[in-house]
Amino acid sequence: GAVVSQHPSWVICKSGTSVKIECRSLDFQATTMFWYRQFPKQSLMLMATSNEGSKATYEQGVEKDKFLINHASLTLSTLTVTSAHPEDSSFYICSAPGLAHTGELFFGEGSRLTVL
Amino acid sequence: AQKVTQAQTEISVVEKEDVTLDCVYETRDTTYYLFWYKQPPSGELVFLIRRNSFDEQNEISGRYSWNFQKSTSSFNFTITASQVVDSAVYFCALSKGSSASKIIFGSGTRLSIRP
Repeated sequence: GAVVSQHPSWVICKSGTSVKIECRSLDFQATTMFWYRQFPKQSLMLMATSNEGSKATYEQGVEKDKFLINHASLTLSTLTVTSAHPEDSSFYICSAPGLAHTGELFFGEGSRLTVL
Repeated sequence: AQKVTQAQTEISVVEKEDVTLDCVYETRDTTYYLFWYKQPPSGELVFLIRRNSFDEQNEISGRYSWNFQKSTSSFNFTITASQVVDSAVYFCALSKGSSASKIIFGSGTRLSIRP
């Protein structure tokens, strides 16, 4: 079964509204999670590193005020797309590392956002 | 800066043919990790392999094999006796910085296996 779960799987919203996407680690704790964005037929672009109890670290070119990341607990990171516009429509995927000695990296199922 | 190049945008072969997906990477890190992921039409990422920079041994897993060559900064992936179910987008990825979990992806290769 999935060890990293995202919710919602898909969401449609009107332009100007804010949308929150959750990334939850199941049965393990993740002090760090990563958020990616994937446009249709393109690659996954790393957006930011979510750090539990501290500010997220954003990749160059990613607007931190546009994409709010909160990592309030050891099992949950949230990405909020604020004032969404059609160009924000994309597939958002999170990942979380498992136990350090295993080197495993778990990806969520992804959340497809469509902004009308 | 780290970079992953997958020069093959799309590949189409007939079932049972062998196919190799190329991956070339750039990094200044002495320790790094390389990955291959499969993304079927449903969108979820399927982990295939992780290799660290100190392990240059080639690996075989069933019909899949990987050829890691540090001298050419390549980490190619071969599927032998391809099957229709292998049709997907395949991504090569590289760790960024000191974290093995923070990875960047290549542009992907869309593989179509025709019956």
